[in-house]
Amino acid sequence: GENVEQHPSTLSVQEGDSAVIKCTYSDSASNYFPWYKQELGKRPQLIIDIRSNVGEKKDQRIAVTLNKTAKHFSLHITETQPEDSAVYFCAASIEYGNKLVFGAGTILRVKS
Amino acid sequence: DAGITQSPRHKVTETGTPVTLRCHQTENHRYMYWYRQDPGHGLRLIHYSYGVKDTDKGEVSDGYSVSRSKTEDFLLTLESATSSQTSVYFCAISEHTGRETQYFGPGTRLLVL
Repeated sequence: GENVEQHPSTLSVQEGDSAVIKCTYSDSASNYFPWYKQELGKRPQLIIDIRSNVGEKKDQRIAVTLNKTAKHFSLHITETQPEDSAVYFCAASIEYGNKLVFGAGTILRVKS
Repeated sequence: DAGITQSPRHKVTETGTPVTLRCHQTENHRYMYWYRQDPGHGLRLIHYSYGVKDTDKGEVSDGYSVSRSKTEDFLLTLESATSSQTSVYFCAISEHTGRETQYFGPGTRLLVL
């Protein structure tokens, strides 16, 4: 079945720097890749997603890139701010069964 | 936030007792999911539903059962709770298929002593 690996598990950056989180997936038929942000004690919330017919998508300071050949996708956050501190999860759809498989998460700390 | 509520929000129970968690949605979405969240494991799917009375297993379904008798409600039951089921449980919904945006409920924190 699908396996999603996420790196790094923790990431510390200075305020204003960029942060990059990477995920790899195993099922070449996966076609939907969302990213969720979870603040402490809160529910996961979708911040951006991409489908397999698109290579890159941006939303203000957040962007996601997808490399289908290499089966990896990345989240890029520019000009990081303290409020970006949270746990970020990537996920990938699977071909058979209506499900998403999630990565283990990345703890992002933005130091001011 | 999408119209999703979970009850109870917190529960402490003893090993061997049955526990039922409820997820209620007001969005009329077809798909509903139960996940558990544990440190280092992210979100792992327990069971999901693709319609009334239509359910299927996820990757960590052992020890759990579900029921969906109405579109708006999805119940998760731990038949005989164990300490390994101490976790935070999230319900999620999606509109048309499972391979699209899922909206999460606020979560239920369960402690099994």
